[in-house]
Amino acid sequence: QSGLTQPASMSGSPGQSITLSCTGSSSDIGTYNLVSWYQQHPGEAPKVIIFEVNKRPSGVSNRFSASKSGNTASLTISGLQAEDEADYHCSSYAGNSNLVFGGGTKLTVL
Amino acid sequence: EVQLEQSGAEVKKAGESVTISCTNSGYTFTYYWIAWVRQVPGKGLECMGIIYADDSDTRYSPSFQGQVTISVDKSIRTAYLQWSSLKASDTAMYYCARVVYSSTSWYFDFWGRGTLVTVSS
Repeated sequence: QSGLTQPASMSGSPGQSITLSCTGSSSDIGTYNLVSWYQQHPGEAPKVIIFEVNKRPSGVSNRFSASKSGNTASLTISGLQAEDEADYHCSSYAGNSNLVFGGGTKLTVL
Repeated sequence: EVQLEQSGAEVKKAGESVTISCTNSGYTFTYYWIAWVRQVPGKGLECMGIIYADDSDTRYSPSFQGQVTISVDKSIRTAYLQWSSLKASDTAMYYCARVVYSSTSWYFDFWGRGTLVTVSS
């Protein structure tokens, strides 16, 4: 199966809101409400920040929110902070016990 | 506290075999699936496959079927990822992750720190 498509890089200023996109197909994002987002700081393991399209695990800031429309999922970070600078990976269930990831978006906080 | 402890970095030559491990603690191991995830330096994440700790039911992603072997020893709460003949293109960081997997949920909630496998040609 093909992977999901994410912009390679994005940037924003502290305090701004930014929305990262993740485009899939009718075989993954378009069919299943099983989109998750992972934050990965350099040299660290990924950490789940969103699961099941728009749910936040305990302890994750409410500045992170997410949604889905058709074959595209979105992650919005409001009130950007320096600590938000990281790579963000989206993923979706794609049937037959397969999970697909996007290539990741490198977010820079200017 | 849930912990996934991975084995140390490996440096190998092409054609050699290697097995890396992921030892789990802090939860009922046999209730969960464990995933192996590859990350080539500077690239995105790829799910290689998952294994159910209780009965070793294993599902491989199509890209990795036949390329690696995933196994588990529930008596010591450890999952394994094995290569019989490494290639230079296998050079990557490999993460294990606990999978929340049901009819209504599918995501990785806890991750190991990763094992770097470097293969020289």
